[in-house]
Amino acid sequence: DIQMTQTPSSMPASLGERVTISCRASQGISNYLNWYQQKPDGTIKPLIYYTSNLQSGVPSRFSGSGSGTDYSLTISSLEPEDFAMYYCQQYDSSPPTFGAGTKLELK
Amino acid sequence: QVQLKESGPGLVQPSQTLSLTCTVSGFSLTSYSVHWVRQHSGKSLEWMGRMWSDGDTSYNSAFTSRLSISRDTSKSQVFLKMNSLQTEDTGTYYCARTTEGIVWVMDAWGQGASVTVSS
Repeated sequence: DIQMTQTPSSMPASLGERVTISCRASQGISNYLNWYQQKPDGTIKPLIYYTSNLQSGVPSRFSGSGSGTDYSLTISSLEPEDFAMYYCQQYDSSPPTFGAGTKLELK
Repeated sequence: QVQLKESGPGLVQPSQTLSLTCTVSGFSLTSYSVHWVRQHSGKSLEWMGRMWSDGDTSYNSAFTSRLSISRDTSKSQVFLKMNSLQTEDTGTYYCARTTEGIVWVMDAWGQGASVTVSS
C-alpha cells in the first residue's frame, strides 16, 4: 500500500495567516491526490481534487499543488471556520490511502 | 440534494458480525460508486471497500475475507457486513459517494455511524 506522510500533525495558527500542509507519498502518485476537511462534529467534505482542482462551493482561499510524491494544501488567509482536521488521500493505486491528518488550531 | 446516511447498531459483541446500512438520496446507485471508510477514534481514515455502479465490489485486502459489501438499488441502500469483530474494529464508519472516472473524489459523505465492539 502507498503510505501518505502528512506534516505537520498539528499547527497553531492565527486568523488571517497563510498556512501550508504537506503530504508525501511513499511512491509517485501521478497527481491522484485529494484533500478533505473534517470538522469536530465528524462532518467531512472535499476541498481539492486531482491535486489542484477546487471542489465546487469551496472558497478560493484554498489551493493545492504538487507532483510526483510531494503535495501541499495552502489556505491563503485563515477564517474562523477553517480550524479543523485536514487529510490528504491518494487514489493512484488501490487501496486508496489517507494521511494521518493535520489539526489546524487557533493560536 | 445529495445525502448519505449510515445506520446500524452502536454496540457489537466481540466475534460477532457488524451490519451497517448506507441509505442514499439525490442520486442513483447505478450511476455512482459508494465507498465505506472507517475512522478509529482520533485517528486517520481507512478505506474499506467500494460498491461500483454496475454492482461490482472492491475491497481493502487488510480486511481479508471478513468484509462484504452489497446493495439494494430499489431501496437506494448499500450494506456493509464484517464478521469476526474485535475491539480494534471500534470506530466511526462512513459511507461516501464518488464518480467512476479516472479522476474522482469523495464528494458527499454520511455523518458516520459510531460502532463500539465490547462485551
